[in-house]
Parts: sequence; structure tokens; C-alpha cells
Amino acid sequence: KAGVTQTPRYLIKTRGQQVTLSCSPISGHRSVSWYQQTPGQGLQFLFEYFSETQRNKGNFPGRFSGRQFSNSRSEMNVSTLELGDSALYLCASSPSQGQYGYTFGSGTRLTVV
Amino acid sequence: GENVEQHPSTLSVQEGDSAVIKCTYSDSASNYFPWYKQELGKGPQLIIDIRSNVGEKKDQRIAVTLNKTAKHFSLHITETQPEDSAVYFCAVWGNKLTFGGGTRVLVKP
Repeated sequence: KAGVTQTPRYLIKTRGQQVTLSCSPISGHRSVSWYQQTPGQGLQFLFEYFSETQRNKGNFPGRFSGRQFSNSRSEMNVSTLELGDSALYLCASSPSQGQYGYTFGSGTRLTVV
Repeated sequence: GENVEQHPSTLSVQEGDSAVIKCTYSDSASNYFPWYKQELGKGPQLIIDIRSNVGEKKDQRIAVTLNKTAKHFSLHITETQPEDSAVYFCAVWGNKLTFGGGTRVLVKP
């Protein structure tokens, strides 16, 4: 079956702009989590969505937001982009809320200039 | 919150040798410990996991051991091959997955 699909794969934005990233989970998976990966900070948890509701949130400023649709697809949005937001943004899906069965997508590489 | 430390940050081994990566964690309530392998241009891929009621788990050339009392767990790769070269991450589940800093493994032919 198809894996986790993230679009776009690469993105270049200018400081101050906003960006929306998309994640389509594995068919049947209802939980979607987002992570930011940078060389300095590693993999950091952004948030988790299940049944269209945010269930958990990491320590990121309010500029980072997300949502989940009724078909379990998820989007995350970053407003007022800063240079430090340059990172690989990873989405992971799992069958249900909880820890098992996390499958990651290949990520969206965001570069802020 | 949960703190996960992973060592070493880089590991170079000769093909055929073993590789060991160690992680420690802080929250004694954590109960699920997966390991991920990340290759260039790809997302992390789950390679093995262990739950808190199990001390050791093996899958072909890879194994994970868990010491809940000491709050540490390790990944063991035997008979390493060039395709094992990648970055490996340990992770711990409390109420979310918290990752270690990663170990870049290079297997020299």
C-alpha cells in the first residue's frame, strides 16, 4: 500500500512569508504527527492530530499551526517565516492515537532566505 | 519533559564488525522504545522496537536490549554491511515520541 506522502518535497520561501505543507497518511491511519528536523536540534515534535483534533503539542511558537481533515489528511502552516525555520518537516502517521506503528514520510525541505 | 541522550554521535566500523549504539532516558514511565534508520533524502524508517515488559528483542542481524532499572537501551548490529551506513535514532514514548540526537554509522568495506 502507499506510504505517507508529503508535498511539496522542496520549498524556498522568503522571510516574513507563510507556508503550508501537506501530509497524506497511509490509508486507514487516523493519527498524524509532525516533526521538525534540523542539524542543531535534531527531531523535535510539533503536534499530533487524531480525529481532526489536536491531541498533543510541542514547544513551538504559535506561528506553527496545523489541522486535520475528515479524510485524515493533515496540513501544517508556518506564518511569518524566520531564517531559523529552515528545516526538514516530517509527517508520521499511525493507525490510531498512540505510540505504535509510526510511519514517516520523506519530508518537505523548507529553506527560508 | 522526557530527555533522551544517544551515544556515540558518529561510529565508523569495518564491514563484518559489530556496531553498538546506546541511549538513556529520563522518564521512568516511558514504555515503548523504537529505533529508526534514516538514509539520505528519506524519512526515518522503523527497524526494530521494544516494549517495557521485554528485556531483549532480535530480528536477524539487529537486536535491542532494554534495562528499565537503569533507564537505558541499546541497538546492536552484527555482521555490518555497507548498506547499514545511515543515521540511526533511538526514541522513547511517554505521551509522544522523543528522539535521541542520532548516530551517523559508516561501514567501511
